[in-house]
Order: sequence, then C-alpha cells, then structure tokens
Amino acid sequence: GDSVTQMEGPVTLSEEAFLTINCTYTATGYPSLFWYVQYPGEGLQLLLKATKADDKGSNKGFEATYRKETTSFHLEKGSVQVSDSAVYFCALFGDTGRRALTFGSGTRLQVQP
Amino acid sequence: NAGVTQTPKFQVLKTGQSMTLQCAQDMNHEYMSWYRQDPGMGLRLIHYSVGAGITDQGEVPNGYNVSRSTTEDFPLRLLSAAPSQTSVYFCASSSSGSAYGYTFGSGTRLTVV
Repeated sequence: GDSVTQMEGPVTLSEEAFLTINCTYTATGYPSLFWYVQYPGEGLQLLLKATKADDKGSNKGFEATYRKETTSFHLEKGSVQVSDSAVYFCALFGDTGRRALTFGSGTRLQVQP
Repeated sequence: NAGVTQTPKFQVLKTGQSMTLQCAQDMNHEYMSWYRQDPGMGLRLIHYSVGAGITDQGEVPNGYNVSRSTTEDFPLRLLSAAPSQTSVYFCASSSSGSAYGYTFGSGTRLTVV
C-alpha cells in the first residue's frame, strides 16, 4: 500500500537558517503530494501541494518539488522565523486504492530567536 | 463559511461507554475522512467516505463505526470505549482529494479512563 516516510524530529534551527525536511513516498501510479502544518493546539492546515511530476508547490516562502525519479517531496525554506515553529506533515493522495490522505509521522520544527 | 466543524472539542469517557463524535462540513464536499493522531505516529486513517451512503475502512477501523446519510455529516461512533482510544480525532473533507487537498476540523481530544 501507499506510505510516506519523513525525517525524524525535532529539528531545531536558529532564526534565518535554511530549512529542509525530507519526505519520500511509496505509491503506485502518480499520487498527489501535500505538506500540511500544525501549530500548537490547532488542526492541520494545507501548506502547499503538487499534483504531477516536476511540479513545484510554494506558499509563505516554503517550497517543495515533486520528484518522480527519487519519489521525494522535500520541504524547503530559505530563512525560517520563530513563527514557523510547528509540526509539518508530508502526505499523499494516491490515484488508486483508498480515497483518503496517507500521512508521514510528522516533523517538529523549533526555531530559536 | 464555517468549513469543517467538529464537536465536542474535549471529552472524557469511562471504559465501556459509547459516544459519537460529530463532523459537519458546509462546502458540499464528497470526500470525508476520520483520523486519529497519537504522539510520534502521525495521523492514521480510521474510516473514509466518497459520498452519501458510501463508506470504507482505513488503517485502524476496529472499535469505530461510521455512516454517511447526508453529504454534510460524517459522525464517528465509538462502540465501547477503551483506554487505547485516548487520542485526538480529526475529521477532514475534500471536493476531489487529489487536486485541492483536504480541509481539516479543529479536532476532538478524547480521554478514556
């Protein structure tokens, strides 16, 4: 079945540092890929998405590129802020099988001033 | 525009009790899902639906029932609560799953004692 693997956290960075959170997936066909963010005590918010190979999703300075050849969708940001501290989830929606999102385990990001 | 509304926000149950977690969306979305979130395990799919009258099991369906009599509502029933069901529960909805991602509710924190 479909699966998503994320790098273990927590990731601790200083403000203005470069961020990468790795995400790889296993799925048949051509899934759609997503990054969600969860701030403390809240639900999940869609951060960005990509629906086909080589698409780049971007939002609020975050970017991720759908790499079919490496089955990856790594999240990047050039300069993080304290307000980016949250848990980040990589997810996929497959084009076969279950009609629902499959999530990675999440990566907690802590940004220090 | 309310989005996805979950009630209650908090609930404490005794072992063996039953209850229903409510989920309602006002976006006319066909796809709806229930997840549970446990520390270090990401979000795991309990049940999902692709339209009124159609439901299917996810990864962890045991101990839970769902029904989808209308497009708007997708309640989750705990038949006989167990401490292992202590978790945060999220409901989500989507128009298509792949193109737009899912909108999440704010969650229900359930404790079973």
